Amino acid sequence: LAKTTQPISMDSYEGQEVNITCSHNNIATNDYITWYQQFPSQGPRFIIQGYKTKVTNEVASLFIPADRKSSTLSLPRVSLSDTAVYYCLVGPIYNQGGKLIFGQGTELSVKP
Amino acid sequence: DAGVIQSPRHEVTEMGQEVTLRCKPISGHDYLFWYRQTMMRGLELLIYFNNNVPIDDSGMPEDRFSAKMPNASFSTLKIQPSEPRDSAVYFCASRMTANTGELFFGEGSRLTVL
Repeated sequence: LAKTTQPISMDSYEGQEVNITCSHNNIATNDYITWYQQFPSQGPRFIIQGYKTKVTNEVASLFIPADRKSSTLSLPRVSLSDTAVYYCLVGPIYNQGGKLIFGQGTELSVKP
Repeated sequence: DAGVIQSPRHEVTEMGQEVTLRCKPISGHDYLFWYRQTMMRGLELLIYFNNNVPIDDSGMPEDRFSAKMPNASFSTLKIQPSEPRDSAVYFCASRMTANTGELFFGEGSRLTVL
């Protein structure tokens, strides 16, 4: 299983763009990269997923370089409500297995 | 769909008592996961099932923990006997193989063992 490494914490201010990078040097060919968000007293919630290059949805963008050994979650113009823990997961999806391990996550604090 | 449903939401018990946590996955999902979250250890995968069959229980801390999935719509995580170090939030999550692999989490069961 690919091990992931993220910064433990980050601080930002409202309206700024936040980029959280995750390292996954031993990512396998079948692995996808998925990011989750967790608010206090709630379970994690899916944000975005990708395999390579760039993926964008209504809440975030995910940048994955050609070697796929890292990925960057980009949150545009954060607000106070984006204060949460963000997890990067690497693993197979679809019919290729189910063991999904969470790392320590990045605690993002957005200040006014 | 109502999402993943867990019960109880909160449980306070005394050391040595049996604790049973329950989970109803989203209908149609074929994977079910049990995670435990503490400040010290973060979010740990305890066990997961595929089509009601346990696939990997290597994360179960010890023999005091057991999990079952008698059918596609119900799973239990049992701790017997419970100890103070079992205090944590226990999350159940489910996913459908045929989609993006997105995990859907329940709201968790907060367990306090005195």
